[in-house]
Amino acid sequence: AQRVTQPEKLLSVFKGAPVELKCNYSYSGSPELFWYVQYSRQRLQLLLRHISRESIKGFTADLNKGETSFHLKKPFAQEEDSAMYYCALSGRGYSTLTFGKGTMLLVSP
Amino acid sequence: EAQVTQNPRYLITVTGKKLTVTCSQNMNHEYMSWYRQDPGLGLRQIYYSMNVEVTDKGDVPEGYKVSRKEKRNFPLILESPSPNQTSLYFCASSLSPRGADTQYFGPGTRLTVL
Repeated sequence: AQRVTQPEKLLSVFKGAPVELKCNYSYSGSPELFWYVQYSRQRLQLLLRHISRESIKGFTADLNKGETSFHLKKPFAQEEDSAMYYCALSGRGYSTLTFGKGTMLLVSP
Repeated sequence: EAQVTQNPRYLITVTGKKLTVTCSQNMNHEYMSWYRQDPGLGLRQIYYSMNVEVTDKGDVPEGYKVSRKEKRNFPLILESPSPNQTSLYFCASSLSPRGADTQYFGPGTRLTVL
């Protein structure tokens, strides 16, 4: 069974501080990992995926297979980063997407 | 504009009164799914469909039905709603059933069952 764990329900930081949203996963094969974001009163949207190795809105995430982690990081948080962040996992090929329970990020001025 | 639409956006109903939440996508996507979002529980998949006439249960299918008669539509049916089905529901679609494909989400339907 595939599982995603986001240990923090809420992460509160000040503007300009570094941010790390934790995500750990359990999967027997080679996973595909994603971060989805939901801004207030908006629909969920893809933020980034590990296979792209890209930085979106200053966020990066590295897949660490040894630690089975896919933490989301940003060096300097902005107020507009305040949102609910979901880590998600799927297997290769035909596979459903499993979401973590989400972490609410609040960035204060 | 490429998008996933859901109707209604808000619904208050009473226990036992059958309801349908519609979902439609205009991107010719094969894969569609329904999730419910609850505080502290995150997103949980209810049902999914890999193509027309192909549907399967997700993690929390009890009390729900779906159908996929056309590629673009994937309605969620609650035959006899109960208060524990009060939740925020999201429909999503992706190009193919490959898990790596980006999921596009609808705006959500907030359902209250009294």
